[in-house]
Amino acid sequence: AQSVAQPEDQVNVAEGNPLTVKCTYSVSGNPYLFWYVQYPNRGLQFLLKYITGDNLVKGSYGFEAEFNKSQTSFHLKKPSALVSDSALYFCAVREASGAGSYQLTFGKGTKLSVIP
Amino acid sequence: NAGVMQNPRHLVRRRGQEARLRCSPMKGHSHVYWYRQLPEEGLKFMVYLQKENIIDESGMPKERFSAEFPKEGPSILRIQQVVRGDSAAYFCASSPQEGSTEAFFGQGTRLTVV
Repeated sequence: AQSVAQPEDQVNVAEGNPLTVKCTYSVSGNPYLFWYVQYPNRGLQFLLKYITGDNLVKGSYGFEAEFNKSQTSFHLKKPSALVSDSALYFCAVREASGAGSYQLTFGKGTKLSVIP
Repeated sequence: NAGVMQNPRHLVRRRGQEARLRCSPMKGHSHVYWYRQLPEEGLKFMVYLQKENIIDESGMPKERFSAEFPKEGPSILRIQQVVRGDSAAYFCASSPQEGSTEAFFGQGTRLTVV
């Protein structure tokens, strides 16, 4: 079974400061990892994904995430936060292959608040 | 190229009524996935469909819920005799093939049962 943990329900950061949203995962095989953002009353917008290759993945809106296999983590980062980054962020995982590998498993989400 | 389209965006039903949620996948996509997001929760997988076939419905409640993806037309998630606990946001995603590394999500349907 696969699972995702986002240990922080909420992260507060001052505008212009770096931000980190944490995610750890568990899968039995190789993982595909994803970050999505959800603005109020909106759908999920894809930010970035890790499939294979370079452990540092760059995505939309200046976000990046680092895949760390030994720590089974995929933390989302941004060097300088904007007020407009305030939203709900979801980490998701699926297995690279095998039965049920199409199923995304999501964390509970982390609410990011960027304070002006 | 329009994205995944879901309608209605908001749906209010009284207890005991039926709810029908529609999802039109992206053009060229033949794989559809439904997820449910309960308040304060992440998204939970419900069902995976290809055209005219249910591939995996392991996340669907055993009663009152059904899904289809006909040869023509949108995918439909149907909830019969709704109860308050069915109130949630229901998201549809689509992909062009099973091995795709990414699924594209719609904006969701927010169901409120009163």
